[in-house]
Amino acid sequence: EAQVTQNPRYLITVTGKKLTVTCSQNMNHEYMSWYRQDPGLGLRQIYYSMNVEVTDKGDVPEGYKVSRKEKRNFPLILESPSPNQTSLYFCASSPTLAKNIQYFGAGTRLSVL
Amino acid sequence: RKEVEQDPGPFNVPEGATVAFNCTYSNSASQSFFWYRQDCRKEPKLLMSVYSSGNEDGRFTAQLNRASQYISLLIRDSKLSDSATYLCAVAEAGDDKIIFGKGTRLHILP
Repeated sequence: EAQVTQNPRYLITVTGKKLTVTCSQNMNHEYMSWYRQDPGLGLRQIYYSMNVEVTDKGDVPEGYKVSRKEKRNFPLILESPSPNQTSLYFCASSPTLAKNIQYFGAGTRLSVL
Repeated sequence: RKEVEQDPGPFNVPEGATVAFNCTYSNSASQSFFWYRQDCRKEPKLLMSVYSSGNEDGRFTAQLNRASQYISLLIRDSKLSDSATYLCAVAEAGDDKIIFGKGTRLHILP
């Protein structure tokens, strides 16, 4: 089954404790992206990657890191999480560029205390 | 800043009615347009791509108006299961990014 898989689905952590949210897709897509979704603010892009070893900042990259060492994986790293990073996070992939259809993971709900 | 704007709603519509909402975009160079559906606390899922000539999929019709820079979504004979948030998404030719609107909430009332 074609899918984008995120883990964990739910995470409660404390300020400053490094965490990684994994994202994996099995569709051989080149483009992958991370979004956060907050009430009243909609989906905002954090980082994106057009291919292996190619990553770029989205609209809200501060406090986040990503890597793209393999085509299928695109982890999101929070080196020192803060309460303002409490949010619903979505990973998405697309065959080529952003202008193609985006396929989303089920989401990760993160609470930073 | 490139903008994609939607009326947040909620639109409260009786079952069986027809409902339409628009999404405006600020960049005239935008090339690709989509409607996504998002159920509460779930991921967005593609509803329709929007083509220049307009397109229809069952009860759903999407249209693009380049002159006025908006896309529209029309839902006919609305069902209770159509209750969701509808997000529009816009991407430019050659751009790496896709911009999402904040969504329009739709409640279909029995």
